Amino acid sequence: AQSVAQPEDQVNVAEGNPLTVKCTYSVSGNPYLFWYVQYPNRGLQFLLKYITGDNLVKGSYGFEAEFNKSQTSFHLKKPSALVSDSALYFCAVKNQAGTALIFGKGTTLSVSS
Amino acid sequence: GAGVSQSPSNKVTEKGKDVELRCDPISGHTALYWYRQSLGQGLEFLIYFQGNSAPDKSGLPSDRFSAERTGGSVSTLTIQRTQQEDSAVYLCASSSTLINTGELFFGEGSRLTVL
Repeated sequence: AQSVAQPEDQVNVAEGNPLTVKCTYSVSGNPYLFWYVQYPNRGLQFLLKYITGDNLVKGSYGFEAEFNKSQTSFHLKKPSALVSDSALYFCAVKNQAGTALIFGKGTTLSVSS
Repeated sequence: GAGVSQSPSNKVTEKGKDVELRCDPISGHTALYWYRQSLGQGLEFLIYFQGNSAPDKSGLPSDRFSAERTGGSVSTLTIQRTQQEDSAVYLCASSSTLINTGELFFGEGSRLTVL
């Protein structure tokens, strides 16, 4: 069965420093991978996706993610964190039936000034 | 509005009561999803509707949960005989394309508290 794992419940970063939020996946076949963000008291918002092609995917708000097939990872990155990036981040993979996304448990990113 | 609309935003009920949660998807979106967000559990897929096809109900946790989508638009998630473990935020999302190429647009959720 398709699944994703987010090994860190929380990531703390100082403003201006690079950030990484980790995600590993387990799939049958080619993975369709996504990152979503949930700001406090807001709905989830799409950040970026990997379907095929270039392993480095660029998304909204300056975020990018690197697809690594050998390590079965899809880590979310940003070169310089902002306090406003503080939120809950979810990694997701398309399910095998192709009908829905399977989400990880989420990682809380806290960026301090 | 232009986004996914959910109601009520908050619902407090007593154990054993039935509740209905409503979702208005983005106009023109053929796919509609229900997810449940519980503390420490992430997002749990519940059910998926795509056009006139039979829904994928594989994520519904028990037969107390059901959902329908009328006229290919509005959806209602019904929880019968609510239990305290049903307390969670219920999220609805819609999409205009197949899941593997499109993105989901989420509503702000309905927070259910079962006393």
